[in-house]
Amino acid sequence: KQEVTQIPAALSVPEGENLVLNCSFTDSAIYNLQWFRQDPGKGLTSLLLIQSSQREQTSGRLNASLDKSSGRSTLYIAASQPGDSATYLCAVKDFGNEKLTFGTGTRLTIIP
Amino acid sequence: ETGVTQSPTHLIKTRGQQVTLRCSSQSGHNTVSWYQQALGQGPQFIFQYYREEENGRGNFPPRFSGLQFPNYSSELNVNALELDDSALYLCASSLSGYRGNEQFFGPGTRLTVL
Repeated sequence: KQEVTQIPAALSVPEGENLVLNCSFTDSAIYNLQWFRQDPGKGLTSLLLIQSSQREQTSGRLNASLDKSSGRSTLYIAASQPGDSATYLCAVKDFGNEKLTFGTGTRLTIIP
Repeated sequence: ETGVTQSPTHLIKTRGQQVTLRCSSQSGHNTVSWYQQALGQGPQFIFQYYREEENGRGNFPPRFSGLQFPNYSSELNVNALELDDSALYLCASSLSGYRGNEQFFGPGTRLTVL
C-alpha cells in the first residue's frame, strides 16, 4: 500500500529565502508525482507534474525533482514571497491505479 | 477554457440525511475523480468515473455513490450522513492519456454534518 509522507508539517521562513519542501513515498513503482498548492479552505492548484521517466520539472521559481529509487521528491522555491504562503501537498499516482495518494502537506509561512 | 466548478460551496446537513454534490469538469476532460479531505489531512480518494462508468474506488462504504453524465459532469451522493462525513469534498477532472492524466481540482464543497 502506497504511503506518502511530508516533513515538516509546518515551516516558516523569511521573505526572499530559498527553501525546499520534502516528500517521500514507500512504493517506487509510481506513474507520476504531482505537487499542489492549497490556500486555506480552498481547492488544490496543480503546480508541477513529474512523470516517472523524468528527474525534474521547472515552472518559474519552482523546481521539483524526483528520485524514484529512494522514494523522494523535493519542491524547491526560489526567492520566496509572502504570496507563497499556503499548504503544499504532494501526491503520487501508481501504475495500474487511478487514484492519487496524498501526503498530509507542509504548511508554509513566508514572513515579510 | 473553463476550469473545474463545484456546487454548492457550502452545505449544512443533519445526521441521517442525504446529500448530492455536483461537479463540472474542465472543458475537454473525460474523467472525474472525487476526494474527501478532512481538516488537517490530505485528500482521500473516493472514486473515479470515466465515460460514465466507475473506474476505481477507494476505501469508502457503498453509501457513497456517484454518477457521470454524457457531458462528463458528475455527482457525488452520500446517504445516511454521519458526523465523520463533515469534510471538504473535492472534484478533479483529467483527460485520459494526456500528460499522465494530470488532475485539475475544483474549489471544493464544504459539508458540515450536525
